[in-house]
Formats: sequence, C-alpha cells, structure tokens
Amino acid sequence: KNEVEQSPQNLTAQEGEFITINCSYSVGISALHWLQQHPGGGIVSLFMLSSGKKKHGRLIATINIQEKHSSLHITASHPRDSAVYICAVDYGGSQGNLIFGKGTKLSVKP
Amino acid sequence: DAGVIQSPRHEVTEMGQEVTLRCKPISGHDYLFWYRQTMMRGLELLIYFNNNVPIDDSGMPEDRFSAKMPNASFSTLKIQPSEPRDSAVYFCASSSPLGGTVYGYTFGSGTRLTVV
Repeated sequence: KNEVEQSPQNLTAQEGEFITINCSYSVGISALHWLQQHPGGGIVSLFMLSSGKKKHGRLIATINIQEKHSSLHITASHPRDSAVYICAVDYGGSQGNLIFGKGTKLSVKP
Repeated sequence: DAGVIQSPRHEVTEMGQEVTLRCKPISGHDYLFWYRQTMMRGLELLIYFNNNVPIDDSGMPEDRFSAKMPNASFSTLKIQPSEPRDSAVYFCASSSPLGGTVYGYTFGSGTRLTVV
C-alpha cells in the first residue's frame, strides 16, 4: 500500500524558531509536493521536488530519495506561517495523481 | 492565468437537495481532479479526468455523486440527493506534465459545502 506519513501532527512554536516538518513515503516516487493551507483557505503549492533541495525565502525543502524521506524547514518562523502543511507524493506512471499525508498543523505564537 | 476557478466558494443546502459544484481548470492542463477534504479523512481523491475523459472514479463515495467534464474548460461535481455527511470542502485541481512522469498541480480555492 502506498502510504505517506507526516510528523508531527501538531506543532506549536514561538516566533523566530526554526521549524522542521517531516514526511516519509513507502515506495519510489516521481515527485513530492509540499502544500500549504491556511485556516479556511485554499491549497497552495509551495514546492515540488524530485531530488535534492529547494529554497524559497524562509522555506527550505529537502528530499532523500534513498531514505524515502522529505523535510520542510521554516527559518525565523512568523505567526503568518501558521497553517496546515501537507506532504503529497506522486508515484508517477502514465498519469499524475497525488497521495496525501494527513497534514501538520503549525501554530506560531508571537 | 487566473488559476483554477471554483464556484461557489460556499454552499449551504438542505438535506435532499441537489448540489452542483463547478470548476474551470487552467487552460492547457490535461488532467482535472476532484478532491474532498474532511477533518477525519483529510484529502481524498474522488475522480479524475484526462482530456475530458473520466479515468478513475473509484473514490466517488456512492451513486449520489456524479462528475462530468463536457469540455476542456469546465467540470461539474453533482450530489443528488445531498446528505449531512457530504459536508466537506471540495477541491478541484488541474495538472499538466512537466517532463517525464513529473506533474505540476494547481488547486482551486475550494467549495465549502454544508448540508443541514
């Protein structure tokens, strides 16, 4: 069964802290996506990774293909980073389709 | 491009009524997905289309749910009759291949459905 596991489920941090959210998957993938969803809001794609590392502003995403593991890091966290972060994997094939983790709810306190 | 456009943003309806959710994908994207998000189950795939043809509808919960894609720029998800347990946020997403088996996805803002 293709599963995506995220940890932690919930995370509370103080403003300015460095944050790490983890994602593990069970079989080989063609790409991994990190998504962000603010309360009551839509889903925004933050990163798509198939190898290595990507950085956008204070956000960094890494993936280790051999270990089937990805991390999303937030440096100098801010209350506006409070959201649910969802890991989704694409197992590839002839069509694209995502398998989602259950999400990590992040709350950054001022 | 305005992105994936969903309507309505919010829908409140009475049990037993028909509900129609609408989606306009990004022009040129050849895949369209309907997802349902609930607190208990997270995001679940309901159905997806490739070039307007339904490919996998195994996630559609029951016969009360139906989806169509009459052309490349429009899709509907219909629930008839609606039930309180259908209350959820329904997302539409579209994707296109970026190279090999890698696809880029764009999500709509979702439709929050409440069935009372």
